[in-house]
Amino acid sequence: KNEVEQSPQNLTAQEGEFITINCSYSVGISALHWLQQHPGGGIVSLFMLSSGKKKHGRLIATINIQEKHSSLHITASHPRDSAVYICAVSGNTPLVFGKGTRLSVIA
Amino acid sequence: DGGITQSPKYLFRKEGQNVTLSCEQNLNHDAMYWYRQDPGQGLRLIYYSQIVNDFQKGDIAEGYSVSREKKESFPLTVTSAQKNPTAFYLCASSLRDREADTQYFGPGTRLTVL
Repeated sequence: KNEVEQSPQNLTAQEGEFITINCSYSVGISALHWLQQHPGGGIVSLFMLSSGKKKHGRLIATINIQEKHSSLHITASHPRDSAVYICAVSGNTPLVFGKGTRLSVIA
Repeated sequence: DGGITQSPKYLFRKEGQNVTLSCEQNLNHDAMYWYRQDPGQGLRLIYYSQIVNDFQKGDIAEGYSVSREKKESFPLTVTSAQKNPTAFYLCASSLRDREADTQYFGPGTRLTVL
């Protein structure tokens, strides 16, 4: 079974900082997902990628299939970005999730 | 508006009682999933269903049961056999059960067993 590791577990940043969250996995995958969980508990899908890079607004996700590693970047961070960011991978089995990275952005 | 609804948002039950959590979607998705989230842990799959009247156990199915009588509905019953049922429960759906399909999540139900 795939093992998904995220780092850091917790992250505090000042408003405007560039943020990077990392995700590594142990077994080859077909796709990697980045999710955002708001303080109330709701989860939204940010990205699904199988190669290269995707960008949406201030969020950028990259994946290196050979190194089994993905990063989520947030440019010009804002307090509303405060949330838990979750990495999940899919392959021959249903999604396997990382434990999440709790991000707090301070004004 | 299309989406997934879960009810109730908060649920309190006494130990030893069965309780059923509701999950409804109007996205016309074939696949539906139930996850459990505990503090400091990743989401863990309880059950999933790819089609009406069919479902498969996930990693932590013991003490839970599901049904899929309608495409839109996938209720989860937490039975008295579940040793530690207090947790946050999330329902999700996807167009098909393919590894590259985006999953859409409901708002969750927080269950507390007293």
